[in-house]
Amino acid sequence: GAVVSQHPSWVICKSGTSVKIECRSLDFQATTMFWYRQFPKQSLMLMATSNEGSKATYEQGVEKDKFLINHASLTLSTLTVTSAHPEDSSFYICSAVWGAYNSPLHFGNGTRLTVT
Amino acid sequence: AQKITQTQPGMFVQEKEAVTLDCTYDTSDQSYGLFWYKQPSSGEMIFLIYQGSYDEQNATEGRYSLNFQKARKSANLVISASQLGDSAMYFCAMREWDTNAGKSTFGDGTTLTVKP
Repeated sequence: GAVVSQHPSWVICKSGTSVKIECRSLDFQATTMFWYRQFPKQSLMLMATSNEGSKATYEQGVEKDKFLINHASLTLSTLTVTSAHPEDSSFYICSAVWGAYNSPLHFGNGTRLTVT
Repeated sequence: AQKITQTQPGMFVQEKEAVTLDCTYDTSDQSYGLFWYKQPSSGEMIFLIYQGSYDEQNATEGRYSLNFQKARKSANLVISASQLGDSAMYFCAMREWDTNAGKSTFGDGTTLTVKP
């Protein structure tokens, strides 16, 4: 089956520093990758859509300068949380998809970010 | 208007019994896919089952089946012979091809607890 690897699985950083999260599709080429944020017991909130070689499309209300997304290849997308603050603490999860609307999303295992 | 509605924040089921998790959706697209994902407490999102808008038969995958009623715009998940490992949060999602650039919309989720 399609595997998406997300690293790190958890990270603790100090306020004001930046954190990079990687999302790799290991055995398929993802046409699109998505980044989500999830609060405890809540649904996934789409942050941005990332296509290889083009700028990410951010959802309304998501600060593109704070959450930098780079999609360098068909198998790698990165999310950088810049100048992190405690309110950025959350669970971030990526997903990758290829094919038509009948293709399921393949998710990474998520990254739990804690900003102190 | 919310596109995916899951009206059951929490559900309980006795081990070995069947349970139905409700999902209704709203779309004007003719081409769309409906998906169910499972999220255990560890956080990873697991794809369970898919139903296409043009599929005439209800989808089945092992103990999972999808009760698709297109006219009612409902796509309920049925889990038969519940197991303790089924305790998790379950998300219904829709992927519209024509109008939403392939993005998925998620419901708020249902937390299922299987009792021994």
